[in-house]
Amino acid sequence: SQKIEQNSEALNIQEGKTATLTCNYTNYSPAYLQWYRQDPGRGPVFLLLIRENEKEKRKERLKVTFDTTLKQSLFHITASQPADSATYLCAPDRGSTLGRLYFGRGTQLTVWP
Amino acid sequence: KAGVTQTPRYLIKTRGQQVTLSCSPISGHRSVSWYQQTPGQGLQFLFEYFSETQRNKGNFPGRFSGRQFSNSRSEMNVSTLELGDSALYLCASSIGLAGAYEQYFGPGTRLTVT
Repeated sequence: SQKIEQNSEALNIQEGKTATLTCNYTNYSPAYLQWYRQDPGRGPVFLLLIRENEKEKRKERLKVTFDTTLKQSLFHITASQPADSATYLCAPDRGSTLGRLYFGRGTQLTVWP
Repeated sequence: KAGVTQTPRYLIKTRGQQVTLSCSPISGHRSVSWYQQTPGQGLQFLFEYFSETQRNKGNFPGRFSGRQFSNSRSEMNVSTLELGDSALYLCASSIGLAGAYEQYFGPGTRLTVT
């Protein structure tokens, strides 16, 4: 069955540094992979979507890579700020045209001043 | 454009009762997905509806059911509630099926079963 693993449950970094979060998936090949941010008590908020034929995608201080050979996506936040502190979820799709996403357990990022 | 709305926001029920949760998607969105989120299990997929048809279903017992109306609004129902059903229930809407399109989540319904 499909398995999604995010590198660690928690990541603590200093303000201004680059945060790198890892998402690994096994036993299937997603066509799309999405990243979301979730703050406590709120629904996730969409950040980026990357397709299997795209190696990298950027949006402001965010960058996502998608390596279908390694079955891995990396999510980077450059020049991190305390306001970036949240849980980040990766969500590969089911690998077909039939929809649905599989969410990882998330990585809780804390950026300290 | 108004976001995804969910009602009610909070609910307390007793074991054995049933509950119905409602979700209004963003105007123009035809897909609605439902998720259960608990501290121990993370975000678990329940089901996805598209144009009133259930297109995908997660690994939940038959006590969990849902439907979508012609205006894309969706409801989910949980019958014979168990203590383990206590969770945050989130719905999300997207223009197309969830995999290829970004999802917009509602604020969730916090269900407590006593």
